Amino acid sequence: DAGVTQSPTHLIKTRGQHVTLRCSPISGHKSVSWYQQVLGQGPQFIFQYYEKEERGRGNFPDRFSARQFPNYSSELNVNALLLGDSALYLCASSLGFSGLETQYFGPGTRLLVL
Amino acid sequence: AQKITQTQPGMFVQEKEAVTLDCTYDTSDPSYGLFWYKQPSSGEMIFLIYQGSYDQQNATEGRYSLNFQKARKSANLVISASQLGDSAMYFCAMRELNAGGTSYGKLTFGQGTILTVHP
Repeated sequence: DAGVTQSPTHLIKTRGQHVTLRCSPISGHKSVSWYQQVLGQGPQFIFQYYEKEERGRGNFPDRFSARQFPNYSSELNVNALLLGDSALYLCASSLGFSGLETQYFGPGTRLLVL
Repeated sequence: AQKITQTQPGMFVQEKEAVTLDCTYDTSDPSYGLFWYKQPSSGEMIFLIYQGSYDQQNATEGRYSLNFQKARKSANLVISASQLGDSAMYFCAMRELNAGGTSYGKLTFGQGTILTVHP
């Protein structure tokens, strides 16, 4: 079975641009979470979506937004990119969100903002 | 306040030896889960092992075991019979069942420990 997939794998943008990152969860998983991992640090929680609704949000500015589609795939959008947005963006999927389900991660998208 | 603390920035171990990676946590929620992930240089976060706060026994998964000491709030990962392929960054993470509000579903990660296995 396919794991979590993310696209693109790498991306280079310039300051002020916007970016859209995509994620497909493991088949049967209905929850998708997004994390930002800056070099040398642990991942930081951005969003969790379940059944197309935002269920959790981390401490990120409104430039960050996301959505989940009926097939449970998800997009993360970042507007007005800053140099500090350069990071590895990880998507994770889980069966649901009401318990302590394990989150399984994709390979990530490496974003470089110049 | 730091919820997950990994005090070892780097660890070295000889191939075939066992190694323990430390993790302490802080929570007032009686219901929580502790997770360990491995992150090779490729970047993907690979799930290794899970321990629930109400689990009576320490979790084990193949060569991985979790030394769970609830009163001390520690959840150390033990890797037995280390292999060269175990060289990677290891993260301890926690999810609180009753986090509530916007933190629901959030996994909180530590800073990680880089493990290097020598032949």
